Amino acid sequence: DSGVTQTPKHLITATGQRVTLRCSPRSGDLSVYWYQQSLDQGLQFLIQYYNGEERAKGNILERFSAQQFPDLHSELNLSSLELGDSALYFCASSVGLVERQFFGPGTRLTVL
Amino acid sequence: GESVGLHLPTLSVQEGDNSIINCAYSNSASDYFIWYKQESGKGPQFIIDIRSNMDKRQGQRVTVLLNKTVKHLSLQIAATQPGDSAVYFCAENLYANQAGTALIFGKGTTLSVSS
Repeated sequence: DSGVTQTPKHLITATGQRVTLRCSPRSGDLSVYWYQQSLDQGLQFLIQYYNGEERAKGNILERFSAQQFPDLHSELNLSSLELGDSALYFCASSVGLVERQFFGPGTRLTVL
Repeated sequence: GESVGLHLPTLSVQEGDNSIINCAYSNSASDYFIWYKQESGKGPQFIIDIRSNMDKRQGQRVTVLLNKTVKHLSLQIAATQPGDSAVYFCAENLYANQAGTALIFGKGTTLSVSS
C-alpha cells in the first residue's frame, strides 16, 4: 500500500458524459500527479500540482482538467468522454517538486 | 517529441541470476531518472531514482547506472526472484532545473523469472 488513495476503483459511463476522479495523496506530500495508462499509448503523464498550483503539464486534452484543493486532495475531471478515453487513470504523489512518486491503485474508466 | 525507449520488450531469467534492463533516453537536458515496477492490476511501484549529477546509485538488490554520454540508463537486479516478475519502466523528467516533474515513460520491459 503506497498511501495514495483513489476513488472510485471502477467507473463505467457513456460517451459524451463527464466524470470526476478523486485522489488523496500520502500524508505530507505536496505534489500530486495524474497519469493515463492505455494499451496503445502506455503510461502518459497528464499534469502535476504542487501545493495547489499547476507546475508541469503533459499532453492533457482540453476536455480534461484537474485541480488540487487546500487539503491537498486532487480531482481530475474528464468531460465529453469518448471511447478512446477508456483507460486506467493513476494518481501519484511526492513530497516535493522533483522526488520519487508513489502511485495509487488507479481508477479504471470504461466509456461505452 | 521526446521519448524514452527500451532495448528489449521482454527478458526471461532463471531465479538467482542477475537481471539487467536497459533504457535509452532522448533528452540530453533531462536531470532526473526513475525506475518503476508494475505488477498486473496494480499501480507502478517505485524502485530507484537517480539525478544527473550521479552515474550510479544502489538500493536493496538493485543498482541504477546512468551514462549521460550515450544517454543510457540501466537497472540491475541482483539474485532475481520470482517476485521480481513484472513490467519495468524507466522514465525521464522533461522539466529541468527542478521546476517540476513531467515524467516520460518508456514502453516497459516484461521480466519473467522462472524457478
